[in-house]
Amino acid sequence: EVQLVESGGGLVQPGRSLRLSCTASGFTFGDYAMSWVRQAPGKGLEWVGFIRSKAYGGTTEYAASVKGRFTISRDDSKSIAYLQMNSLKTEDTAVYYCTRESTLYYFDYWGQGTLVTVSS
Amino acid sequence: SSELTQDPAVSVALGQTVRITCQGDSLRSYYASWYQQKPGQAPVLVIYGKNNRPSGIPDRFSGSSSGNTASLTITGAQAEDEADYYCNSRDSSGNHLRYVFGTGTKVTVL
Repeated sequence: EVQLVESGGGLVQPGRSLRLSCTASGFTFGDYAMSWVRQAPGKGLEWVGFIRSKAYGGTTEYAASVKGRFTISRDDSKSIAYLQMNSLKTEDTAVYYCTRESTLYYFDYWGQGTLVTVSS
Repeated sequence: SSELTQDPAVSVALGQTVRITCQGDSLRSYYASWYQQKPGQAPVLVIYGKNNRPSGIPDRFSGSSSGNTASLTITGAQAEDEADYYCNSRDSSGNHLRYVFGTGTKVTVL
């Protein structure tokens, strides 16, 4: 059974950093690209970024709203994807979901999400 | 860059058919995928590709696409289909590859 479990959320002050983790199980993690998607309270879904599998260079792409502040990485030996968030802003407050990306450009599995609250 | 536009809300009588649309330039190049989200829960994939359902998704859900518009149809809506629905597609129109979500449609089953 495919499972994605996010962790690391919490309350953080503006300007500070936070790192989220996504621990995967039930599939060969290294074979898949992984994406992060967020949802601000009462709002819609927003794609944050993704990291390709090592077979495709392990490179990353980001939404304009987080580029230069957020970094996605992966540790295939541990089946974990990370979202490093720096220079956090109040508008980054959201539930952050980890998703598995299919090779046909859709997100077939989602974690339960972790809440990040940016507030002083 | 491309955005995806959806009607904010639609309602459907129990057992009737409802179609949700999603419009955007990226849909001319990429298929839409569709996600169902119930309150307090993570989104769930319901349609991907031309018209494919993941295992466990009822066959009353179907998808179609024409030009810059993708559609999700629920034929014979059930009470448990009441949820928010989001479309999504890849977008390569800007300088970098990205994904974009639709604005979301709240489906109410009467």
